[in-house]
Amino acid sequence: GAVVSQHPSRVICKSGTSVKIECRSLDFQATTMFWYRQFPKQSLMLMATSNEGSKATYEQGVEKDKFLINHASLTLSTLTVTSAHPEDSSFYICSALGPAGSYNEQFFGPGTRLTVL
Amino acid sequence: QKEVEQDPGPLSVPEGAIVSLNCTYSNSAFQYFMWYRQYSRKGPELLMYTYSSGNKEDGRFTAQVDKSSKYISLFIRDSQPSDSATYLCAMSGGTGRRALTFGSGTRLQVQP
Repeated sequence: GAVVSQHPSRVICKSGTSVKIECRSLDFQATTMFWYRQFPKQSLMLMATSNEGSKATYEQGVEKDKFLINHASLTLSTLTVTSAHPEDSSFYICSALGPAGSYNEQFFGPGTRLTVL
Repeated sequence: QKEVEQDPGPLSVPEGAIVSLNCTYSNSAFQYFMWYRQYSRKGPELLMYTYSSGNKEDGRFTAQVDKSSKYISLFIRDSQPSDSATYLCAMSGGTGRRALTFGSGTRLQVQP
């Protein structure tokens, strides 16, 4: 099946610093990737849609200047949390739309747990 | 009202039981329905994928979609302790390939 990786799996940083999270599709090309955030015991909330070669589309209430998304290649999208604060601590998960022919199936990465001190 | 409603549980059953998990939704444009399993501190894993109404079976898992009632179900037969996880329903609709709208997830515990 389609495999998506994320790096790092866990990161702890000081308040005010920036953190970059990478999402890679390992065995297929993903023109569209999604970034979700999940707080403890809550469901996944879509943050933004990332399309290769174009600007990301952010959901209402998500600050695009704070959560910078870059989808520079067909296998890599990055999320940078700028000037992180404790309230940004969460589980960040990316997903990629499957290979051609799978239409609307999404394959998720293992997630990145961000803790901001 | 949320677009997708799902009972958070926890749902505790003995090993071997049949488990029924459900979601209701309000957006009639949804056409693609999925069930994901998520273990603690891991990303969701796709279990079942259904387009429009009907049933789909895969091993011990059966997914049902009733678009007229805006109701979807996942049945797990012969449940195992390894099935203990959070089960998320997800759906999307309209044209094009879109992001998913998730239910809040139901936490399932299968007791040995």
